[in-house]
Amino acid sequence: DGGITQSPKYLFRKEGQNVTLSCEQNLNHDAMYWYRQDPGQGLRLIYYSQIVNDFQKGDIAEGYSVSREKKESFPLTVTSAQKNPTAFYLCASSKDWTNEKLFFGSGTQLSVL
Amino acid sequence: GDSVTQMEGPVTLSEEAFLTINCTYTATGYPSLFWYVQYPGEGLQLLLKATKADDKGSNKGFEATYRKETTSFHLEKGSVQVSDSAVYFCALSPNFGNEKLTFGTGTRLTIIP
Repeated sequence: DGGITQSPKYLFRKEGQNVTLSCEQNLNHDAMYWYRQDPGQGLRLIYYSQIVNDFQKGDIAEGYSVSREKKESFPLTVTSAQKNPTAFYLCASSKDWTNEKLFFGSGTQLSVL
Repeated sequence: GDSVTQMEGPVTLSEEAFLTINCTYTATGYPSLFWYVQYPGEGLQLLLKATKADDKGSNKGFEATYRKETTSFHLEKGSVQVSDSAVYFCALSPNFGNEKLTFGTGTRLTIIP
């Protein structure tokens, strides 16, 4: 079955530590996205990639980094510069960046120890 | 900038009750409008969409009509089931690319037997 897979489901970060969230899709989609979901707030865009080897900052990119070396993979690193990292992180993909049907992974809950 | 406002939850209904979840938007131009649903432990899924004024999106018994005069896109279902328990997100796209996709804060719906 085609889909989008995020791992791990739960992740804990120590102070000063970088952590990487995995996102893999086998839908052959060009575009991929990372969103942050906080209680009582809508989804906020962190980074997006329209095509492999390219990515752009979203609305809240500070303290995060990404790479897009392969079409199917779009990992997100939460760096120590992100002072409030506790949130639910959602990865999504779409056929291309203008196709508004997004497919979402099941998310990663990141918490700070 | 563009924004989406949803009715605050949580909403609790009995099985077979009528459902309305309100959504209003602010946008320039002629956006497309969406409802996404997030079932427990899963990512978001596109439920329905409408791309122009007076369009009605429908899926799985849910409906929403794009009302430009009231800038609204309310979600309705005539008879809810326990399996409809989820978080529902209203969203809009200005049709310039998915980096401008704007989500509401989500409304948690619980259906009791």
